[in-house]
Amino acid sequence: AQSVTQPDIHITVSEGASLELRCNYSYGATPYLFWYVQSPGQGLQLLLKYFSGDTLVQGIKGFEAEFKRSQSSFNLRKPSVHWSDAAEYFCAVGTSGTYKYIFGTGTRLKVLA
Amino acid sequence: NAGVTQTPKFQVLKTGQSMTLQCAQDMNHNSMYWYRQDPGMGLRLIYYSASEGTTDKGEVPNGYNVSRLNKREFSLRLESAAPSQTSVYFCASSENRGLSGNTIYFGEGSWLTVV
Repeated sequence: AQSVTQPDIHITVSEGASLELRCNYSYGATPYLFWYVQSPGQGLQLLLKYFSGDTLVQGIKGFEAEFKRSQSSFNLRKPSVHWSDAAEYFCAVGTSGTYKYIFGTGTRLKVLA
Repeated sequence: NAGVTQTPKFQVLKTGQSMTLQCAQDMNHNSMYWYRQDPGMGLRLIYYSASEGTTDKGEVPNGYNVSRLNKREFSLRLESAAPSQTSVYFCASSENRGLSGNTIYFGEGSWLTVV
């Protein structure tokens, strides 16, 4: 069965510092991988996605993520965090065929001025 | 640009009452989903409909029923609400036609409190 683990519940960084949010997945075949962001009281917005090809994917708002098959990971990175990046971030894995998408428990990001 | 629309946005129910959450998408998507979001639990899949005419259980289906009324609409019903069903519910949809169509789009959420 597919599953997603986000080991960090909370992360605090200073504005301007770099950011890495971790995501590990479990799935037998090549998965579809996603990162979503949720601001308080809002729905989820897609940051980026990986289906195939280049393992380093670029997303909106200056985010990028790297798919590492050997580590079953899809970590999200940003070189310089802005105060507006404070939000909750969710990693998700999807499968072809069943079209079922499973989300991680989320990482809440706090940005210090 | 309506996207995914879900109603109601807020609802308070008494234990044992029933209610239906409505969801509609105007993107001609094949697949639709219902998730619940609870603190520390992330989003958990309740039911999904991979295509019109099919529905399947997700991770936490107990206490819920769904209906894929047509390609646009996917409703979630609580037959006898329990306090454990207090949550934020998100409807979502995805085209799921080839690799490029696999992004999920979410509604704005429905806040449900069962007292």
